[in-house]
Amino acid sequence: AQSVTQLGSHVSVSEGALVLLRCNYSSSVPPYLFWYVQYPNQGLQLLLKYTSAATLVKGINGFEAEFKKSETSFHLTKPSAHMSDAAEYFCAVRTGANNLFFGTGTRLTVIP
Amino acid sequence: DSGVTQTPKHLITATGQRVTLRCSPRSGDLSVYWYQQSLDQGLQFLIQYYNGEERAKGNILERFSAQQFPDLHSELNLSSLELGDSALYFCASSVVGLESGNTQYFGPGTRLTVL
Repeated sequence: AQSVTQLGSHVSVSEGALVLLRCNYSSSVPPYLFWYVQYPNQGLQLLLKYTSAATLVKGINGFEAEFKKSETSFHLTKPSAHMSDAAEYFCAVRTGANNLFFGTGTRLTVIP
Repeated sequence: DSGVTQTPKHLITATGQRVTLRCSPRSGDLSVYWYQQSLDQGLQFLIQYYNGEERAKGNILERFSAQQFPDLHSELNLSSLELGDSALYFCASSVVGLESGNTQYFGPGTRLTVL
């Protein structure tokens, strides 16, 4: 079975500081991994995805994530936080039935 | 704007009632997925349709059902509603399935409140 675990339900960073949101996965097959962002009262927007090509994946809004098989991790980073990054972030993995299993989400707060 | 539309945006109803949520996928997408987002359960996959046929089922209650029509829009029917059914219901679509790493695009959601 496939699953993901997001460490830290809330993360606060100062504006301009590094953003690091953690995601560990469990998968019996080569995983497809996704990061989605949800702004208040909106749907989910894809930030980036890993589908077994390059291990460092660049996404929208300056975010990137690195697939590390040895650590079963797919952490999301951004070098410099902006106020507009405040949102909830979800890590997800493709399941054997070809839908998505989502983590519990991490709420990012950016402090001015 | 993802190109996936959902109606209505908000729905308030009473326990025991039945409601229908509607989703139109992005142009060209054949797969439609339904997800439920609640505070206690998080984001859970409910059901997937591909080109009119049910393809996968997740944690969908027997009181819930869905279908995909020939024009590819989908409806999620929720009956005998309970307070615990209050949640955000998302529809997503993709070209086919996720087999080739296709992306699921999410609609804005329907917020259901059961009183």
